[in-house]
Amino acid sequence: DTGVSQNPRHKITKRGQNVTFRCDPISEHNRLYWYRQTLGQGPEFLTYFQNEAQLEKSRLLSDRFSAERPKGSFSTLEIQRTEQGDSAMYLCASSSRGDRGFTQYFGPGTRLTVL
Amino acid sequence: LAKTTQPISMDSYEGQEVNITCSHNNIATNDYITWYQQFPSQGPRFIIQGYKTKVTNEVASLFIPADRKSSTLSLPRVSLSDTAVYYCLVGDRVDSSYKLIFGSGTRLLVRP
Repeated sequence: DTGVSQNPRHKITKRGQNVTFRCDPISEHNRLYWYRQTLGQGPEFLTYFQNEAQLEKSRLLSDRFSAERPKGSFSTLEIQRTEQGDSAMYLCASSSRGDRGFTQYFGPGTRLTVL
Repeated sequence: LAKTTQPISMDSYEGQEVNITCSHNNIATNDYITWYQQFPSQGPRFIIQGYKTKVTNEVASLFIPADRKSSTLSLPRVSLSDTAVYYCLVGDRVDSSYKLIFGSGTRLLVRP
């Protein structure tokens, strides 16, 4: 299966610790997106890359959050000094231009629990 | 992006046809309508996309009336495995596709 993969699938951390998540997109996709989803809500957009360039960041992405996509391949999302409010599912998606425009394909997500 | 309104939840039984309607009164000329499905602890999965009239694929049909102010996702003969949350999204599939805006979705429960 060459879909979007995310690691780790689950992460439990203590408040104040730093965490990093990784996303490996579908290999030929040049766009990569991060979303956050809390219980009972739909995913919320965080940021997106076209190749290695980070083109937009949501206001939800505070200064404690940083995302990178070196060489336009995999991406990492780091949260510094985690807070309990950061507990959520972090979803990655990727896309490339096709006959449907840029249909986004999502990974399984990383569930973060901050104690 | 146009705001969408969907029922919060729906119940059905195995083998029935399920129709989920989404309202998008402010849809723009360039906007497409896209539906995603999400199972617990998984990322959303693309189901179907359309602009007008009817679109059908191997899993669903999408009906869009002429005024495009609403759309209906039709799932034929649902099974227990169709229990999931279904999201309706509208937006320009090129310009705004980088920022999908999800509502709270419709929670479909399929009973045996």
